[in-house]
Amino acid sequence: DGGITQSPKYLFRKEGQNVTLSCEQNLNHDAMYWYRQDPGQGLRLIYYSQIVNDFQKGDIAEGYSVSREKKESFPLTVTSAQKNPTAFYLCASSIRGQQANYGYTFGSGTRLTVV
Amino acid sequence: ILNVEQSPQSLHVQEGDSTNFTCSFPSSNFYALHWYRWETAKSPEALFVMTLNGDEKKKGRISATLNTKEGYSYLYIKGSQPEDSATYLCAQVVDSWGKLQFGAGTQVVVTP
Repeated sequence: DGGITQSPKYLFRKEGQNVTLSCEQNLNHDAMYWYRQDPGQGLRLIYYSQIVNDFQKGDIAEGYSVSREKKESFPLTVTSAQKNPTAFYLCASSIRGQQANYGYTFGSGTRLTVV
Repeated sequence: ILNVEQSPQSLHVQEGDSTNFTCSFPSSNFYALHWYRWETAKSPEALFVMTLNGDEKKKGRISATLNTKEGYSYLYIKGSQPEDSATYLCAQVVDSWGKLQFGAGTQVVVTP
């Protein structure tokens, strides 16, 4: 079955450490996205990528970095520069240019906690 | 940043009752509106993608309407069942690339 796999489900990070969250999809989607969820707030866009080797900052990119070396993979690194990294992170993908017809497909998320 | 607002933030419904809730969004430069259902411990699931003013879409007991001129969409659940318990997200497509701006969601709890 096609879908998006995020790993790990739970992640604990010590202050000052970088951590990388994995997102893999086998849907052949061109576009991929990273969102962050905090209590009481809507999903906020961190980074997105429309094609391989290209990505753009979203609304809250500071303290995060991404890469898009393969169509299937869009890992997110939470760096030590991110002041408040404890949150729930969701990865999504879509058919580029067809979001109006098909919507996004989401992974099941990673909960990151700084200890 | 455009503001997508959802109300109410949460609601409790008795099994069998019908309910509805609202998504409001900036009406200028409208591309599309998405509705997602997000059940606890699962991934958000696309319910509807709405593009035209006056659109009405239906999936089982759930339906949605769209008014792009005044900037709102309603989602209706008819004869609520416990399995309808979830957070319902709306999101507006804000550019030609399909970037989404999400509301904070409406949490629906259906009690038997």
